[in-house]
Amino acid sequence: AQKVTQAQTEISVVEKEDVTLDCVYETRDTTYYLFWYKQPPSGELVFLIRRNSFDEQNEISGRYSWNFQKSTSSFNFTITASQVVDSAVYFCALSEASRSYNQGGKLIFGQGTELSVKP
Amino acid sequence: DVKVTQSSRYLVKRTGEKVFLECVQDMDHENMFWYRQDPGLGLRLIYFSYDVKMKEKGDIPEGYSVSREKKERFSLILESASTNQTSMYLCASSLPRQGYYGYTFGSGTRLTVV
Repeated sequence: AQKVTQAQTEISVVEKEDVTLDCVYETRDTTYYLFWYKQPPSGELVFLIRRNSFDEQNEISGRYSWNFQKSTSSFNFTITASQVVDSAVYFCALSEASRSYNQGGKLIFGQGTELSVKP
Repeated sequence: DVKVTQSSRYLVKRTGEKVFLECVQDMDHENMFWYRQDPGLGLRLIYFSYDVKMKEKGDIPEGYSVSREKKERFSLILESASTNQTSMYLCASSLPRQGYYGYTFGSGTRLTVV
């Protein structure tokens, strides 16, 4: 069965610290997609990144970077030089390609990690 | 800017009331979803719809029903609200290849049942 685990419930850092949010997933499919979403206090989940299972290249976007390792079934998210505006709940999610069509597919979300960045 | 709009940000209802949560998207997306978000539990799927008048149960459909009479609108109905349905409700929509594109979310409705 597919499952996403975000073991860190809450993380608190001081501004300018680096922080890594962990995500571990389980799936039997060989083709799947992994996502990260950010939920600021306003409530709306904002898409950050999608990664497919055949692309293990790490990705960097400004202060954000993602480390995808199939060997450990992990898709970790690092924020460099954190800022107060990074305070939010972050969700990791998984979708299996074999179920990616109308009837079957859906995103499975982890429990979320609440990040608090203090000035 | 494309959007998923949920009609209310905050709602307070009484136990036993019939509650309607409305969601509208302007992206012509085929798929729409209702999730419930609770601390420590993440997002749990209540119902989803992949076409007008079509619906499928998610992981926690008990106590809920849905309606999709038009492509752009997906309503979540609490037939008889109970205090354990106090939660944040999130609506989302996606193209058919949702596994590839992911979802677009609304801002959520925080429902309190007293």
